[in-house]
Amino acid sequence: EAGVAQSPRYKIIEKRQSVAFWCNPISGHATLYWYQQILGQGPKLLIQFQNNGVVDDSQLPKDRFSAERLKGVDSTLKIQPAKLEDSAVYLCASSPRARQGAFSEAFFGQGTRLTVV
Amino acid sequence: KQEVTQIPAALSVPEGENLVLNCSFTDSAIYNLQWFRQDPGKGLTSLLLIQSSQREQTSGRLNASLDKSSGRSTLYIAASQPGDSATYLCAVCLSRLTFGEGTQLTVNP
Repeated sequence: EAGVAQSPRYKIIEKRQSVAFWCNPISGHATLYWYQQILGQGPKLLIQFQNNGVVDDSQLPKDRFSAERLKGVDSTLKIQPAKLEDSAVYLCASSPRARQGAFSEAFFGQGTRLTVV
Repeated sequence: KQEVTQIPAALSVPEGENLVLNCSFTDSAIYNLQWFRQDPGKGLTSLLLIQSSQREQTSGRLNASLDKSSGRSTLYIAASQPGDSATYLCAVCLSRLTFGEGTQLTVNP
């Protein structure tokens, strides 16, 4: 079974530029997550999709971050414009649909390391 | 708001030791708890998933326990090896996966 695929692996941009990350979840997984992991910290949820609908985006800085999941499969996360503090690893994860009131195991991709200079 | 704390932040042990990593959480109404391993520059690898109705899960040299009432989980690693060196993260799931800061483990040959 193929894992969660992310690209690019690394990206260096100047502040105020824009950047986009791509994620392809495990086939058949209904739930897709984007996390931000700053060096030395645990991952923080940015946005959670169930199929192509947003379940939780309460921690997404909506003035500069946006995400979409077209057709309930692939997803893109965009930052525009980037700030120095956006330097982090951006992790995508997916999980299969669980029975109501429960959550299934989450599987993570390798992440995209973003450096804003 | 769910908060997850992992102790210790860093741990260095000689090869062969048995060790325990601790995870505590503030809201006991969780669906499950997951332990992950993260190697430098890599993504997260799922190690063990404990559903809220379970008390423990085992995989090879790893054993994770869950005590919902006290808001605690432990990850026990038996006979540690240098290849176990990594950061270990616990995450609790209620409406979302909330992570601790991780424990950075170094196993010295």
